Amino acid sequence: NAGVTQTPKFQVLKTGQSMTLQCAQDMNHEYMSWYRQDPGMGLRLIHYSVGAGITDQGEVPNGYNVSRSTTEDFPLRLLSAAPSQTSVYFCASSYQGKLFFGSGTQLSVL
Amino acid sequence: AQSVAQPEDQVNVAEGNPLTVKCTYSVSGNPYLFWYVQYPNRGLQFLLKYITGDNLVKGSYGFEAEFNKSQTSFHLKKPSALVSDSALYFCAVSPRSSASKIIFGSGTRLSIRP
Repeated sequence: NAGVTQTPKFQVLKTGQSMTLQCAQDMNHEYMSWYRQDPGMGLRLIHYSVGAGITDQGEVPNGYNVSRSTTEDFPLRLLSAAPSQTSVYFCASSYQGKLFFGSGTQLSVL
Repeated sequence: AQSVAQPEDQVNVAEGNPLTVKCTYSVSGNPYLFWYVQYPNRGLQFLLKYITGDNLVKGSYGFEAEFNKSQTSFHLKKPSALVSDSALYFCAVSPRSSASKIIFGSGTRLSIRP
């Protein structure tokens, strides 16, 4: 019963570096999404997907790219990391409106 | 554009007393409404959702929420608070036209004192 799996759990980047946060779910959910959590700002939606091949922007998409080539995987790419992207990132899949969250990735950009 | 407001950063309640965590929303049409909880070291968990029907929704751990369309509110309630209810609570909303686009409020930290 893996659910939603995120890797890595922790990551430190230098400004300008790129990286991909991995997200996989084994529940065959069509909907997947990425959020970032910052103190006092709650969870903010970065990008979401309603199925393989279909993605859309959320509230704070700038600086992030996504793709959805399979139902299971929804990676989040940081093209050129900035200190403002220091945050905790959560991936989620959803079914009938209920979100199932991964355990999160704590990212620090120096 | 959809939005969610949680006007209280923190709510403090004595154990055994009733608790209310407030949430108001703005979305076109009839919304889907949710409450989630984040316990330390336990990630984010679903509490309850309002889709349609009865305005009082019952969820996990004895929590319930009341949907009020005229006031665009969806307050979380519990008749008798437990110390173990101490956590960070998030209200969320999505429009029916785009149910997968779920937007969260800024969160309310609930602290229950013994």
